[in-house]
Amino acid sequence: ETGVTQTPRHLVMGMTNKKSLKCEQHLGHNAMYWYKQSAKKPLELMFVYNFKEQTENNSVPSRFSPECPNSSHLFLHLHTLQPEDSALYLCASSQSDSPHGSNYGYTFGSGTRLTVV
Amino acid sequence: KQEVTQIPAALSVPEGENLVLNCSFTDSAIYNLQWFRQDPGKGLTSLLLIQSSQREQTSGRLNASLDKSSGRSTLYIAASQPGDSATYLCAVEADAGNMLTFGGGTRLMVKP
Repeated sequence: ETGVTQTPRHLVMGMTNKKSLKCEQHLGHNAMYWYKQSAKKPLELMFVYNFKEQTENNSVPSRFSPECPNSSHLFLHLHTLQPEDSALYLCASSQSDSPHGSNYGYTFGSGTRLTVV
Repeated sequence: KQEVTQIPAALSVPEGENLVLNCSFTDSAIYNLQWFRQDPGKGLTSLLLIQSSQREQTSGRLNASLDKSSGRSTLYIAASQPGDSATYLCAVEADAGNMLTFGGGTRLMVKP
């Protein structure tokens, strides 16, 4: 496996369900991200983990809960979602050797298409 | 707050044409700028990364330029092909790091 891998590719869940999205990066990067892509809107940053510490949450509703157990894995736990949360959820990783930014840009996974019914 | 704008929002051209996609950003304090390609329902594929100290980057038929002081970048695609049809996204990383801001994208259709 190379790059950034996301599972599942597609997920349909009811508003009362609890589910988790998984992301794994095989690039040795030290930062991982969750982005949300809704129809007709630019990609929105949800969470950042740098060296396993969450450094940004951008006022995301508490029904989204991230977890980063190590530098290679990132989860997004979902509970009591709303239909408007239906979107493509993208995971990304980057390598930063300074506080200023990534050395080689960001690598994205293929995304999880989430539908809330 | 950084804002990134891409023009045009959609573009349809015949095969073989050279074309230019535009990206502008409001805050010039950026660390780098990255161009991505996204096929329908898929993730993002990185095309070119330009560090803030650089003026341009080239990969095959693609050339991206950066004018940091004026807040602009262009993606030039030479001799377009139907396989180039996709949405092209521009994103800037803030100088403070770990913050990638995206434009709305340009949806490109290249007709055979």
